[in-house]
Parts: sequence; structure tokens; C-alpha cells
Amino acid sequence: SQQGEEDPQALSIQEGENATMNCSYKTSINNLQWYRQNSGRGLVHLILIRSNEREKHSGRLRVTLDTSKKSSSLLITASRAADTASYFCATGGEGNTPLVFGKGTRLSVIA
Amino acid sequence: ETGVTQTPRHLVMGMTNKKSLKCEQHLGHNAMYWYKQSAKKPLELMFVYNFKEQTENNSVPSRFSPECPNSSHLFLHLHTLQPEDSALYLCASSPGTSGAPEQFFGPGTRLTVL
Repeated sequence: SQQGEEDPQALSIQEGENATMNCSYKTSINNLQWYRQNSGRGLVHLILIRSNEREKHSGRLRVTLDTSKKSSSLLITASRAADTASYFCATGGEGNTPLVFGKGTRLSVIA
Repeated sequence: ETGVTQTPRHLVMGMTNKKSLKCEQHLGHNAMYWYKQSAKKPLELMFVYNFKEQTENNSVPSRFSPECPNSSHLFLHLHTLQPEDSALYLCASSPGTSGAPEQFFGPGTRLTVL
């Protein structure tokens, strides 16, 4: 069953602008992860935020988590054309539980 | 790229063919996964193996048959597929039961069933 739901489905911005993508989920979680997928390729893990964390940074990435609203956001600052990809949130993955992915947000960064 | 390789990268097959997809991980992980990614649908988990034992079969049709001979290799045997099985098939690995939950993906096999 689908756990994460990203929005918007598609986002187009100019290079240098910030991009914000949101993820909502339905059940309680231990962690939430964000992945990137370049067209037709495998997914690359970007960042993991645990349920007791509210915000996490990694380079130009900033992730927030609001467990009361069951939502997370991924902010990419000073976007580059190379950031063009699909971005997925995923929950689960600990122990034997499988990861459950949303449908993703397709980000286009125009140079 | 990520320590997980998949072959072939592209595969075109007829509905009566038998083919196999191969995945290999060089990360020392104990869990391996097959996912199916179709256009405009979320990633669908197909199979999970932990320490070579299948721990999850997500109601996958029997025309897909996984094989995990050791913790580093995972196969997906394909037989009598349907056109709707055309998709990107992704393999992933993770440390396993007591490890970190992040998964590492291969580049995928783009499968087209004619």
C-alpha cells in the first residue's frame, strides 16, 4: 500500500531558485527518507530523518519532519540544472519492513 | 556507481521467451530487493531476501521467479510475460535486519515485452 504522497507532482523552476517538495504519509513512522532518481536510472539515497528529529541538513538539502501533521518537506536551495530529477519520499526500511515509496515529484531546473 | 550492478540494462523479449535479470551488490549487505517501476505508478516492491531467505513476496505473479544463491547475488527469472510487465526493474540492497534502513539501488533493467 502507498504510504508517502508527494506534492506537487511536477515542479519547474529557474536555476538558482529554491525548490520545495512535500510528502504526506498515513501511519506512524520511525524514519522518513528522501531519494532522487534521474530519468530511467536507479534511486539514490539523499537523506534520512528520524521521527524524533524536526530538521536535518545535508549540503544544499534541508529536510523537515512534522509528525503531528504526518508530513515532511525537502528543500533544495540554489538549484542547478543537474538537480533535474524525480524525488521520492519513503517510509519504513528498518528491520525486515520494506520501504514504501510515494509517486514522486518531477523537478525540472531550467538553466 | 552505487555498488549495485544490474545486467542487462535493456531487454526486449517476446511473451514466450525465458530470460533472467541479474543483480550483484559489492557492499557487504545482507538484504536484497526487487522493485518494479511502471510509468506514473509508485515503486512496487516485489521480493525481499534477507540472508538468502525470501522474507517478502508482494503477491507477484508466478511468471516472475526470484533466486538468491548468496547475499551478493539476486536473479529474477522471467517466463511467459505479458506486455503490461514492461517496466523498469530495480534491484536494491541494504545492510539487513539490524542495519541502517537506507537502500542502495542499481541502475535498473528496462524491460520491454512485445
